[in-house]
Amino acid sequence: GNSVTQMEGPVTLSEEAFLTINCTYTATGYPSLFWYVQYPGEGLQLLLKATKADDKGSNKGFEATYRKETTSFHLEKGSVQVSDSAVYFCALTSGAGKFYFGSGTKLNVKP
Amino acid sequence: EAGVTQFPSHSVIEKGQTVTLRCDPISGHDNLYWYRRVMGKEIKFLLHFVKESKQDESGMPNNRFLAERTGGTYSTLKVQPAELEDSGVYFCASSQQGWMNTEAFFGQGTRLTVV
Repeated sequence: GNSVTQMEGPVTLSEEAFLTINCTYTATGYPSLFWYVQYPGEGLQLLLKATKADDKGSNKGFEATYRKETTSFHLEKGSVQVSDSAVYFCALTSGAGKFYFGSGTKLNVKP
Repeated sequence: EAGVTQFPSHSVIEKGQTVTLRCDPISGHDNLYWYRRVMGKEIKFLLHFVKESKQDESGMPNNRFLAERTGGTYSTLKVQPAELEDSGVYFCASSQQGWMNTEAFFGQGTRLTVV
């Protein structure tokens, strides 16, 4: 079956620190992989995505590379800002629009 | 263009009462999905509409939950009677016609608290 596992939070970093949030998956077929972000008081927003192996998704300084050999899609950012404080969800879909999400990782960035 | 909107944003009800959540998808999106996040756990799929038809309702927890999408536009999710374990955040999402790995656009969610 399909599932997503991501590191538990909360993750607390100082501004300008390097961020990694780990995400691994199991899936049938050839899934697309996503990172969604939920800022306080808002809905889920697509942060980035990758649709096939070795693709790199990037947006707002965040990056994640689709690694089929390790079934991973780790989220990274070289220098986080206070405004990046949010809950981050790793997700996959293998068709039919049905998403499988991880449990979410809360990121707190301190000035 | 308006995004996916959900009503209400918060609802607090007593055990045994009925609650109806509403979702207005992005105009022109045939696919509409309901998801739920319970107590900081993963966001779980509930069901999927294509226009007014239920494509997949495998995630619906039990028969206390009823989803409708009359006319293929907005959707409602009714919980009757509500139980304590139904508390959580209910998300609605929509996407364009077609099904292959399409990006879904999510609403802000309805936080349901059953006391």
